[in-house]
Amino acid sequence: SQQGEEDPQALSIQEGENATMNCSYKTSINNLQWYRQNSGRGLVHLILIRSNEREKHSGRLRVTLDTSKKSSSLLITASRAADTASYFCATDGGNTGKLIFGQGTTLQVKP
Amino acid sequence: GAVVSQHPSRVICKSGTSVKIECRSLDFQATTMFWYRQFPKKSLMLMATSNEGSKATYEQGVEKDKFLINHASLTLSTLTVTSAHPEDSSFYICSASDGKRNNQPQHFGDGTRLSIL
Repeated sequence: SQQGEEDPQALSIQEGENATMNCSYKTSINNLQWYRQNSGRGLVHLILIRSNEREKHSGRLRVTLDTSKKSSSLLITASRAADTASYFCATDGGNTGKLIFGQGTTLQVKP
Repeated sequence: GAVVSQHPSRVICKSGTSVKIECRSLDFQATTMFWYRQFPKKSLMLMATSNEGSKATYEQGVEKDKFLINHASLTLSTLTVTSAHPEDSSFYICSASDGKRNNQPQHFGDGTRLSIL
């Protein structure tokens, strides 16, 4: 079953604004990953944060992880119309290699 | 970067037909591949874990006789939807990892849109 919950489910912003998406999970993790999915396509890996890390940056992306609250956030700064997509967090299923995906946030960036 | 190719991208067929979907890792070896199903505007649901040289591990509620998985080589896994019916219509996505099981991202194919008439 899917263990991740994301909010908001949908987010609409203007180009140039920042977008923040949140993810909560239920079990202990080794790492948490964020993926992006353009409509009708596969997923693209954005960033992985390990359980002993609190914050990670990659270009315009900033991810935080709070293991005490079992939550993570993805911040996209200076958004662009091309950032329009669905964003999913995913946690590892222990040592199985499986990924458990959140419900996703659909982001629309208006030009 | 690691590339996973999934084929076909779209299939439209009649009810009762069996459909095979291929997932290939193009530039790395994948001992483990994963098959997901995604409904419109929904998240990915893991169907099964495909292990090279051994039987696939299916998630609870997924019929193994309905969704046949074969992982005959380190670069190819196939999912066959047998005797497909309209309720099997969905978006199917595969993924593979090119490293250790933990702390590694998965690389996804572009998905297969299956429509059963």
